Amino acid sequence: QQQVKQSPQSLIVQKGGIPIINCAYENTAFDYFPWYQQFPGKGPALLIAIRPDVSEKKEGRFTISFNKSAKQFSLHIMDSQPGDSATYFCAARANTGNQFYFGTGTSLTVIP
Amino acid sequence: DTGVSQDPRHKITKRGQNVTFRCDPISEHNRLYWYRQTLGQGPEFLTYFQNEAQLEKSRLLSDRFSAERPKGSFSTLEIQRTEQGDSAMYLCASSLLGPNEQYFGPGTRLTVT
Repeated sequence: QQQVKQSPQSLIVQKGGIPIINCAYENTAFDYFPWYQQFPGKGPALLIAIRPDVSEKKEGRFTISFNKSAKQFSLHIMDSQPGDSATYFCAARANTGNQFYFGTGTSLTVIP
Repeated sequence: DTGVSQDPRHKITKRGQNVTFRCDPISEHNRLYWYRQTLGQGPEFLTYFQNEAQLEKSRLLSDRFSAERPKGSFSTLEIQRTEQGDSAMYLCASSLLGPNEQYFGPGTRLTVT
């Protein structure tokens, strides 16, 4: 059973566009929600993370929006660049454990 | 480079053989995690160490899998009697003060023929 559901599976945007990737979860024990960026042949790299006590967090061109009541969170990439082309994973961690539960990933392509 | 390192980066083995992977975490990170990632999927948790103690193991970690972190520094993951279904990227991550902000290594890609 997939603990964190991610969509879309793939996304193509023009340079300067704002891709949005969505994730949903059911486990109310989740209290930490990171986003990871992964390039081919590399391990995932932490981009930005949020806790459920805030509705939005922004770091540079990356913004997480969090809706606690809907159990959904999303990643927005402002002014997207070709160098942002990568696979993005959302994840969640329960306050009682040490492991991350990852979504299935979104392959983003930014066209110049 | 002070990041998480993994060795080897690629391993091709025949079904039934044993393989061992090594992970060197970021210096002074006392927490170490192993994940497995198959094509088109997100990483799946395998096991967690705090210092030398293995504190969590996933149901994914069958009896053929064993992990160690003997001195609380580097870790090894061994797979005995490999099966084709073991083909995947094996990722190691480390963290310092808690389970958040896990930093991942580049992974070891295992192919079982």
